Amino acid sequence: AQKVTQAQTEISVVEKEDVTLDCVYETRDTTYYLFWYKQPPSGELVFLIRRNSFDEQNEISGRYSWNFQKSTSSFNFTITASQVVDSAVYFCALSSLNAGGTSYGKLTFGQGTILTVHP
Amino acid sequence: DAGVTQSPTHLIKTRGQQVTLRCSPISGHKSVSWYQQVLGQGPQFIFQYYEKEERGRGNFPDRFSARQFPNYSSELNVNALLLGDSALYLCASSRGLEERYEQYFGPGTRLTVT
Repeated sequence: AQKVTQAQTEISVVEKEDVTLDCVYETRDTTYYLFWYKQPPSGELVFLIRRNSFDEQNEISGRYSWNFQKSTSSFNFTITASQVVDSAVYFCALSSLNAGGTSYGKLTFGQGTILTVHP
Repeated sequence: DAGVTQSPTHLIKTRGQQVTLRCSPISGHKSVSWYQQVLGQGPQFIFQYYEKEERGRGNFPDRFSARQFPNYSSELNVNALLLGDSALYLCASSRGLEERYEQYFGPGTRLTVT
């Protein structure tokens, strides 16, 4: 079975602070993909990043960075110099190739972390 | 290009009624997935369709059904509504079945069952 755990239910920071959102995953598959999505109050999930299990390089995109560590099954997300517009619910998700060698692209989501950035 | 569209935006139904939700994928995307997001939780996978065939089903009762049309749009049907079916229903489209494809989500349909 697959599982994604986001231990932080809510985080509150002041603008310009750095903030890290934690994500720990469980899967028996050796090939899998990890995702982060942002859900603003409007409700639409916005894709942020995809990372496959064979690529442990960290990635930086502007103020966003992601740290993937297979040894600890973690895929953490850091926002540098946070802004009020970053306030949203952030979801980590997992999709894996099952033992049969086929995948149906099912995403398993964590519970989400509510990030509030105060001015 | 237009993103994933869903209709209606909001819906209020009574227990025992039936509801149909609609989704149009991004042009060129052949796979549509449906997710249920109960307030305060992450989305839960319901179905995935590809080329009009069901390719994946989550742990939902038979009251939930879906179909995909030749133009790749999709409908989600829920029969005999329960209060617990109140949720945001999200549709996602992707180019193909494989997990490497990003899924792009629509704005959702908020269903309230009273």
